Amino acid sequence: GQQLNQSPQSMFIQEGEDVSMNCTSSSIFNTWLWYKQDPGEGPVLLIALYKAGELTSNGRLTAQFGITRKDSFLNISASIPSDVGIYFCAGMEYGNKLVFGAGTILRVKS
Amino acid sequence: DTGVSQNPRHKITKRGQNVTFRCDPISEHNRLYWYRQTLGQGPEFLTYFQNEAQLEKSRLLSDRFSAERPKGSFSTLEIQRTEQGDSAMYLCASSLVGLADYNEQFFGPGTRLTVL
Repeated sequence: GQQLNQSPQSMFIQEGEDVSMNCTSSSIFNTWLWYKQDPGEGPVLLIALYKAGELTSNGRLTAQFGITRKDSFLNISASIPSDVGIYFCAGMEYGNKLVFGAGTILRVKS
Repeated sequence: DTGVSQNPRHKITKRGQNVTFRCDPISEHNRLYWYRQTLGQGPEFLTYFQNEAQLEKSRLLSDRFSAERPKGSFSTLEIQRTEQGDSAMYLCASSLVGLADYNEQFFGPGTRLTVL
């Protein structure tokens, strides 16, 4: 089946630093999504990308949909303690089914 | 609270027992999805409904798994003869499918199943 490769697996950064994580796929997706999951909760949508090459921001978050539609990155600027969590990329298949990456664990030192 | 709710939040059972989970989607959402998430992995699609119709089942969904959405509102996921490999977080999500490019899926908090 389709797989999304997400990197890095984990990050431990200083508060105030910028964060970058990316995701690659062996298949093309027409919609790419970034989610955040806190412990004991379900994923929450951060950013949705619909067009190849699209660059979208949501506050301190910026994400881009790769021109080949097989990759995406997420940047977080000026990290704060509440950014801690697991970040997932996901591609959308027919029927709006989501294929998720394995996640990037973000830890922030204050 | 008008979000997606799931019950129970935690379930511990012995191998071989049957378990049933419930998902209440956001009111008026016509799509409902079930995903399974194991430790250190992202959620994996299991099945989804459009109103009361089950439109697709993943190959991950063995014959021991069955899902229903009898009136197009809440849904149940039943696992028969549970195995230790069934231990996971079971997530439910709902969305309102319309004319938009993407119809956001709102996830519930999940049911964590532990099979002893």
